Amino acid sequence: EAQVTQNPRYLITVTGKKLTVTCSQNMNHEYMSWYRQDPGLGLRQIYYSMNVEVTDKGDVPEGYKVSRKEKRNFPLILESPSPNQTSLYFCASRRERGNTGELFFGEGSRLTVL
Amino acid sequence: GDSVTQMEGPVTLSEEAFLTINCTYTATGYPSLFWYVQYPGEGLQLLLKATKADDKGSNKGFEATYRKETTSFHLEKGSVQVSDSAVYFCALTYNFNKFYFGSGTKLNVKP
Repeated sequence: EAQVTQNPRYLITVTGKKLTVTCSQNMNHEYMSWYRQDPGLGLRQIYYSMNVEVTDKGDVPEGYKVSRKEKRNFPLILESPSPNQTSLYFCASRRERGNTGELFFGEGSRLTVL
Repeated sequence: GDSVTQMEGPVTLSEEAFLTINCTYTATGYPSLFWYVQYPGEGLQLLLKATKADDKGSNKGFEATYRKETTSFHLEKGSVQVSDSAVYFCALTYNFNKFYFGSGTKLNVKP
C-alpha cells in the first residue's frame, strides 16, 4: 500500500529536549515536505526537499532542521523545542515525473512541548 | 505576498443541502489551485485542482472553477452527505514546491 508514515504520532516533551519526527514514503517520490497545522492558520510549510541532499526553506523554518540522506526518508529535527512549536505536523510527498501537483500526506504527528 | 483566504467555519448544513465554501487568493502570477480535504484523524488528501484560468476541477460531486478576474476558487457541491463532514483547505502553488494553504473550513453535515 502506497503511504507516507510518520513517527511518533503523539509526543509530549519538555523545552530544550532534542527530538526527531521521522517521515518515510514508499512511493519512490523525489519531493518531500513538512508542514505544521495550527488553529486559524491552516498549514504552513516548514521545509521541503526536491531530492536527496537537496533541501530548502518554507515559510516557517525557524527552530527546525531537516535532512535528506535517502530518498524515502525526510526527518524533521527540533534541536531545542520550545512551547511555540506545539503543533500538529504533517509530512507530504509527491512524484516528480508526471508531476500533477498532488501531495500525499501522512497521518500527522501531534507534538506538545511543555 | 502570496496567500489564500477561506471563509470562516464551521459551516453546518443538513444532508442534501447545497454547499459553497469560499476561497480567494492573492498571487503575483498565475498559480495552480487546489482543494484538499481532511477527514477526522487523517492527513489531507487531494479533492480537486485547476491549473489555469477558467478551468473547472471536479471530483466526487464537488466542483470549483478557477476565476482569474475575481481571484477565486470557490468549492461547491449540489447535495452534501453526512460523509462529507471534514475540514476543507484551499491551496495554491506556482512550481509545486512551495504551497500556500488557507486556514481551513470545517463542514458539519447533519442527517
